[in-house]
Amino acid sequence: QLQLVQSGAQVKKPGASVKVSCKALGYTSGPYNINWVRQAPGQGLEWIGGKFHDRVTMTTDTSTRTAYLELRSLTSDDTATYYCAEGSGLSGRHWFDPWGQGTPVTVSS
Amino acid sequence: QSALTQPASVSGSPGQAITISCTGTSTDIDDSDYVSWYQQHPGKAPKLLNHGVRNRPSGVSDRFSASKSGNTASLTISGLQPEDEAAYFCASYTRRNTVVFGGGTKLTVL
Repeated sequence: QLQLVQSGAQVKKPGASVKVSCKALGYTSGPYNINWVRQAPGQGLEWIGGKFHDRVTMTTDTSTRTAYLELRSLTSDDTATYYCAEGSGLSGRHWFDPWGQGTPVTVSS
Repeated sequence: QSALTQPASVSGSPGQAITISCTGTSTDIDDSDYVSWYQQHPGKAPKLLNHGVRNRPSGVSDRFSASKSGNTASLTISGLQPEDEAAYFCASYTRRNTVVFGGGTKLTVL
């Protein structure tokens, strides 16, 4: 059964970049579609997609089954827990299961 | 894209049934076969409860059921149990190949 394990919490200064990893365990074959979702403290879920395109890079290292999310030019509004989740369906984003445990990212001067 | 609209909170007593609504627009829920629901306990990652209305992952109780009509999706939890107290989120795949989530509903089991 697929399990997604994420890297640990990070603290960054405004203007810096952050890179979060998400390793797939227990999965013997691909391809898989990793999506990223974030949740600001006490807030709802937000899919990381189009509106972030100029600040976000999403990559996958298939040899290590690890996906990465890099977010640049951080502001305090980027303070959130970042989740990776496997997307399913033809688009790879019709629904999400399973999810990683989350990576808290704090942006503070 | 604006978030889907969910009530901020709902409550019910053990054994009762509650329904959480999720309202979207013509470009998401009304135009999509792919509405999904997630449960999130405090400090935990979301967990998939249902997708595409009729599809419930193995291991998810059949007390959780979903429906959709026009631009509104609904999640019904029957036979409320204390462990159902959590936040619930809906999500919809959209015609723009994006995903939009609801703002979340906090369920309190009285």
